[in-house]
Amino acid sequence: AQTVTQSQPEMSVQEAETVTLSCTYDTSESDYYLFWYKQPPSRQMILVIRQEAYKQQNATENRFSVNFQKAAKSFSLKISDSQLGDAAMYFCAYRSPPGGSQGNLIFGKGTKLSVKP
Amino acid sequence: DAGITQSPRYKITETGRQVTLMCHQTWSHSYMFWYRQDLGHGLRLIYYSAAADITDKGEVPDGYVVSRSKTENFPLTLESATRSQTSVYFCASSEGGVYYEQYFGPGTRLTVT
Repeated sequence: AQTVTQSQPEMSVQEAETVTLSCTYDTSESDYYLFWYKQPPSRQMILVIRQEAYKQQNATENRFSVNFQKAAKSFSLKISDSQLGDAAMYFCAYRSPPGGSQGNLIFGKGTKLSVKP
Repeated sequence: DAGITQSPRYKITETGRQVTLMCHQTWSHSYMFWYRQDLGHGLRLIYYSAAADITDKGEVPDGYVVSRSKTENFPLTLESATRSQTSVYFCASSEGGVYYEQYFGPGTRLTVT
């Protein structure tokens, strides 16, 4: 079974600085998808960024980028120029391609990010 | 409004009562999911559905029942609520195929006393 591990329960960053959140996963599959979700105090789950395993290029969405290391099964999230609105729980998630009994997301336990003004 | 909605947003019930949480999406997504979120566990899959009338168990299905008679609705029923089912419940939907993003509802906070 696939597992996702976020080893940092809490992180803190100074406003305008850069922070990296770690995520590792375990799978025997070669084709899969990885995601980072943000959950602010409102509880709404918001997709931040996604990465297809077959793509070697790291995904980037504005101030958010990932460092995807397929061989190491590592998928870290880098937030540049941190803003107060980035404060939230961040969840790393793994998903097999839909079909059969697969397709659901497997989440890590989350990292709580605080942003200091 | 378009999107995915859940009702109620908050619910307090007593042990042993039956409770149904509703989920409705307007995108006609084929896949729908129910997760529960507990402190220290992240989100865990309860049940999912690949299409109308097709459902399957996730990681923590015990004590829950789902149905999907229409594509847009995916209710979750706790047949006899227990205190261990106190949690925040999220519904999500996904188009499937080449679109792998799951869109989440706002969540339902359920307290079982």
